[in-house]
Amino acid sequence: GENVEQHPSTLSVQEGDSAVIKCTYSDSASNYFPWYKQELGKRPQLIIDIRSNVGEKKDQRIAVTLNKTAKHFSLHITETQPEDSAVYFCAASRTGGSYIPTFGRGTSLIVHP
Amino acid sequence: NAGVTQTPKFQVLKTGQSMTLQCAQDMNHEYMSWYRQDPGMGLRLIHYSVGAGITDQGEVPNGYNVSRSTTEDFPLRLLSAAPSQTSVYFCASSQRMTYEQYFGPGTRLTVT
Repeated sequence: GENVEQHPSTLSVQEGDSAVIKCTYSDSASNYFPWYKQELGKRPQLIIDIRSNVGEKKDQRIAVTLNKTAKHFSLHITETQPEDSAVYFCAASRTGGSYIPTFGRGTSLIVHP
Repeated sequence: NAGVTQTPKFQVLKTGQSMTLQCAQDMNHEYMSWYRQDPGMGLRLIHYSVGAGITDQGEVPNGYNVSRSTTEDFPLRLLSAAPSQTSVYFCASSQRMTYEQYFGPGTRLTVT
C-alpha cells in the first residue's frame, strides 16, 4: 500500500517568514495530492491540491509543488500570519484503486507574531 | 446543506462497553470513511465505503464494525471498548469523481 512520510513534525516561524512542509510517497501510481489544514479543535479542511499532470499550483500565499520522479511534494506558505498556525496534513491517493487517500502524520506550524 | 454531521461530540465509556458513533451527510456523496486521530499519528483510516452496501477495511479496523445501508449514513460501532480506542474520530465523505474529502466535526471518545 501507499506510505506517506511528512516532515517536519513541528515548524516554528516568525510572522512574515515563509514555511515549507515536505512529503514523500511510495506508490508511483498515486496521482492526487491534497493538503488539509486543521485548526485547533476543528475538523481538517482542504486548502489546496495538485494532480500528477501538474508540477506546481498556487493560490494566493500558498503553493504546492510536485516532483513525480523523486516522489515528493511540498507545501509552501509565504508571508506567514498568526492565523496560519495549525496542523497541516499531506495525503496521496490514486484513481482506479482505493480512492481513500493515505495521510502523512501532520506538521504543527506555529507562527509567532 | 449541513454537510457531514457526527454525534455525539463527546463520549466516555468504560472498558467493555459498546456504542455506535453516528455519521450522516446530505451531499449525496458515494464515498464515506472513518478515521481516528491520535497525537503524532495523523489520520488513520479505520473503515471506508464506496457506496451503499459496500464497505472495506482500512489501516486500523480491529475492534470496529461498520455498515452502509443508505447513501447518507455510515455508523461506526465499537464492539467492546478498550482504553486503546481513546481517540478523536472523524467521519468524512466525498464525491466519486472529485477528490476533496469533507470531514465531520469529530467525536472525542475516552475509554476508562
